[in-house]
Amino acid sequence: EIVLTQSPGTLSLSPGERATLSCRASQSVSSSYLAWYQQKPGQAPRLLIYGASSRATGIPDRFSGSGSGTDFTLTISRLEPEDFAVYYCQQYGSSRGYTFGQGTKLEIK
Amino acid sequence: QVQLQESGPGLVKPSQTLSLTCTVSGGSISSGDYYWSWIRQPPGKGLEWIGYIYYSGSTYYNPSLKSRVTISVDTSKNQFSLKLSSVTAADTAVYYCARVQLGYSYGHDYWGQGTLVTVSS
Repeated sequence: EIVLTQSPGTLSLSPGERATLSCRASQSVSSSYLAWYQQKPGQAPRLLIYGASSRATGIPDRFSGSGSGTDFTLTISRLEPEDFAVYYCQQYGSSRGYTFGQGTKLEIK
Repeated sequence: QVQLQESGPGLVKPSQTLSLTCTVSGGSISSGDYYWSWIRQPPGKGLEWIGYIYYSGSTYYNPSLKSRVTISVDTSKNQFSLKLSSVTAADTAVYYCARVQLGYSYGHDYWGQGTLVTVSS
């Protein structure tokens, strides 16, 4: 099973700043099957990025994804107040199953 | 607009079977473009994928839960269901149903609001 490790666990930033979130896999992941989600308290997760770098419908262009192999990054170029939430990476593997990272909490500094 | 809604008991006794149903509206569960997933989240913790089903009935389960999980589909009702047997307190979680968009590189693009299931006597 591929393990996804996200860092940092918590990221404290101010609105307007740039956020960089990391997702590292225990073995190589097809970039076609790496996704990022945002979850706010009391809500279901929301798909932000699929295929490592493609934005889902309706996602603002301040969100971008990059990476390949075992290292992937979600970048939020200029934080808006509504961006403070928990972010998860997810991979779909050759074994046809999914694993999620443990999440990064993005909090207001 | 596609909507998913979970339903089922909010309280299950230890050793019993947890049963949930997800009703899909605004789209057909029989479309070949999607899988249909169950995902759970223990209180204050991260996400765990349970399994998914295709409209044809093909399933794939998380190996760590496989011995206790059954996912089924009822295309006539546009629903799919989850059964998790022999539950313990560790199965207490918010359970989500979600759509897997094959065209989005297998991302989960629509989710239900989630339903909290507590395992307690």
